[in-house]
Amino acid sequence: NAGVTQTPKFRVLKTGQSMTLLCAQDMNHEYMYWYRQDPGMGLRLIHYSVGEGTTAKGEVPDGYNVSRLKKQNFLLGLESAAPSQTSVYFCASSWILGTHQTYEQYFGPGTRLTVT
Amino acid sequence: SQKIEQNSEALNIQEGKTATLTCNYTNYSPAYLQWYRQDPGRGPVFLLLIRENEKEKRKERLKVTFDTTLKQSLFHITASQPADSATYLCALPENKLSFGAGTTVTVRA
Repeated sequence: NAGVTQTPKFRVLKTGQSMTLLCAQDMNHEYMYWYRQDPGMGLRLIHYSVGEGTTAKGEVPDGYNVSRLKKQNFLLGLESAAPSQTSVYFCASSWILGTHQTYEQYFGPGTRLTVT
Repeated sequence: SQKIEQNSEALNIQEGKTATLTCNYTNYSPAYLQWYRQDPGRGPVFLLLIRENEKEKRKERLKVTFDTTLKQSLFHITASQPADSATYLCALPENKLSFGAGTTVTVRA
């Protein structure tokens, strides 16, 4: 049981380049999330998904797109990277909030992205 | 909109002492509050959840209180150990889950 995995672990992009971050979970969770974490600002929600084929915007969605084609995978795309998107990106998953007597989110190890 | 504030200063304590972390929030009345631990280079890990009708929750050497009148949660690590050194995040259910910036705790042997 690997939990939540993220690829890649590190990436350096030049301004204007594009990339996709992959998140996979093997816990059969319905909900999946993408966060970014910047020093002094905590985790901020970018996009989330409440099920296969559905996505929704979080607190800071601009410049990012997501897709949830399979229940176990959640992809985060940057179409035209900007230096302001330099951050650590975390994926998380959870049961439907309140079910299974749990509300906790399970996080992946993170992807450190630098945009130059 | 909601605002979550945690101790802005890092906390340095001696092994065996109790560390007390604060989480304050405004413009919100959450049904519950969560605490997570984050080690350097790792993702957060869930520790505890406390509901609005619970005053106190314990898990091993951890204790969390929740005062909905003060809009505050306190997180205590008793008999602290160097292995407790980490950043601790509080989180409230708004826009799915909103996190504080965290408080870094360093326990000196």
